Amino acid sequence: RKEVEQDPGPFNVPEGATVAFNCTYSNSASQSFFWYRQDCRKEPKLLMSVYSSGNEDGRFTAQLNRASQYISLLIRDSKLSDSATYLCVVKRNTGFQKLVFGTGTRLLVSP
Amino acid sequence: GAGVSQTPSNKVTEKGKYVELRCDPISGHTALYWYRQSLGQGPEFLIYFQGTGAADDSGLPNDRFFAVRPEGSVSTLKIQRTERGDSAVYLCASSSKGQDSGANVLTFGAGSRLTVL
Repeated sequence: RKEVEQDPGPFNVPEGATVAFNCTYSNSASQSFFWYRQDCRKEPKLLMSVYSSGNEDGRFTAQLNRASQYISLLIRDSKLSDSATYLCVVKRNTGFQKLVFGTGTRLLVSP
Repeated sequence: GAGVSQTPSNKVTEKGKYVELRCDPISGHTALYWYRQSLGQGPEFLIYFQGTGAADDSGLPNDRFFAVRPEGSVSTLKIQRTERGDSAVYLCASSSKGQDSGANVLTFGAGSRLTVL
């Protein structure tokens, strides 16, 4: 079993739709959580950190459930430019930023 | 430079050859990471440097892989006797600190795409 599991998709949604991605992690000692975005043939870039209380950044909302070891990302009012792969990322409880990535969920937003 | 620079951007080689991939991190970033990303997968950790030393090389798949960072800045990932299974995008990332003292962001380079024929 992979340490970080995601549905690879693709999720095909029309512009303006709301879409949610889920992610589970297996290491209960995981300390920090993130969503990264990766465009086709580009490098991953940090989208947002995920906090225990949940956090929002514009149209994006991230949630963490430590008891269930579950992370989610909600995108409201999808734009064509949101089309990308969304990587769920977990930081192990080590002294440095050793990030463990999921396989990513591919999102395709169509007109 | 403004970002993490990786060269070459593309490398095609034959099975059994030796390959070097270079990473130039953001100026002043002490922490440097190498990841490998195969098609359809997320990035997989290879090795982490804090300054000149490899603080964690547990992700290197076997002894054909080696990385150095002799002056604490530029790093080179070296792959000996390449195999077809080594084909992937090799990503380098840097951050200002290695130790957890808040939300340190990893900034990735564009990657070096290695194809072993």
